[in-house]
Amino acid sequence: DTEVTQTPKHLVMGMTNKKSLKCEQHMGHRAMYWYKQKAKKPPELMFVYSYEKLSINESVPSRFSPECPNSSLLNLHLHALQPEDSALYLCASSRRQWLPYGYTFGSGTRLTVV
Amino acid sequence: QQQVKQSPQSLIVQKGGISIINCAYENTAFDYFPWYQQFPGKGPALLIAIRPDVSEKKEGRFTISFNKSAKQFSLHIMDSQPGDSATYFCAARSRTSGSRLTFGEGTQLTVNP
Repeated sequence: DTEVTQTPKHLVMGMTNKKSLKCEQHMGHRAMYWYKQKAKKPPELMFVYSYEKLSINESVPSRFSPECPNSSLLNLHLHALQPEDSALYLCASSRRQWLPYGYTFGSGTRLTVV
Repeated sequence: QQQVKQSPQSLIVQKGGISIINCAYENTAFDYFPWYQQFPGKGPALLIAIRPDVSEKKEGRFTISFNKSAKQFSLHIMDSQPGDSATYFCAARSRTSGSRLTFGEGTQLTVNP
């Protein structure tokens, strides 16, 4: 299995809703990442988990709450989002955070906040 | 200093032609330079990558040329095909910044049949 699987593929949520994005990989990767991508822009790093511990938080607002319950799973909990948070949310994984190769992205969750 | 500057923003090439995308950087702590290909509605997919101790790497129709002294690297797509039409991002990893990937702004490539 060489894939990063993200669910759901599409999500529409109101500003008062709570929802979660899920990411799963079974490649034995111990680094997992959340990125946000706006249309026609490059991905922007949000969070990095290394060995299930939060390693990097790029000053992301607290309405985004990451969680890494085990080495294969990464969640992003969403609460009280704003319309400007609408974007493609990408999960990625790599073998180890400090190794410069083997970075794999999922297909993303297209999030629309109404 | 964390920036990676990518050009051109968009590129139109005829089928069978050569597509060339360029990137430049300043940060000497960058130690890994991947290129990603992204189709609409999909996540970026790693196309090819190079490390700074190598000046060129070729995989099929895709070649990275790397000029360490000029702090520039480029992607060449030989015999470009309509199926290559996508957005291409160069990136660089910094060993001193938690292994962050810094992306260029992207190049929208269109290959006409």
